[in-house]
Amino acid sequence: DADVTQTPRNRITKTGKRIMLECSQTKGHDRMYWYRQDPGLGLRLIYYSFDVKDINKGEISDGYSVSRQAQAKFSLSLESAIPNQTALYFCATSDLGGGRIEQFFGPGTRLTVL
Amino acid sequence: GQNIDQPTEMTATEGAIVQINCTYQTSGFNGLFWYQQHAGEAPTFLSYNVLDGLEEKGRFSSFLSRSKGYSYLLLKELQMKDSASYLCAVVLSGGYNKLIFGAGTRLAVHP
Repeated sequence: DADVTQTPRNRITKTGKRIMLECSQTKGHDRMYWYRQDPGLGLRLIYYSFDVKDINKGEISDGYSVSRQAQAKFSLSLESAIPNQTALYFCATSDLGGGRIEQFFGPGTRLTVL
Repeated sequence: GQNIDQPTEMTATEGAIVQINCTYQTSGFNGLFWYQQHAGEAPTFLSYNVLDGLEEKGRFSSFLSRSKGYSYLLLKELQMKDSASYLCAVVLSGGYNKLIFGAGTRLAVHP
């Protein structure tokens, strides 16, 4: 089973709809992140969290909100989706334990806003 | 501000060697990652450098010069499956392990 899972994997929605993307992990990591990826722009950080009581905005948080329901779950919401939020969204986790700080990525959610 | 530059595209021949460069200017530095990403898939970890010098891991090596704000990824004995995007990412200072990514280099390996 995958260590970091994302649901749904693909979603097509209409402008103005509320959308939630979910991320779960079994790695036991405390740090979780949401990124979006657009062609030619690389990965950009939307929100990140150290634990359930800690939520921080990344470089492009406008139009998004998050919820850390448990250590293993981190959800990203688009309250009112717009076409320029069409992108590939990745959840990632990391841990400081053992000195390894690389981020482990989920498989991604391809979101299309019409 | 934060800035990471890497070439947009590169091409190479199967069996050859290719070097992908990355230069960075960031407010804080706690290491540099290279990730590989096949189209539509998740990035996967290749290497991490925090000290100056060369780290070798099989066909892949990564080099860092902190004073120059420069890194490269060296891929040897190229295979067709190495066709992918290669992402350079700097770890910012602080306890969150925040990454700033370059736009990625798309490598095409030809027979």
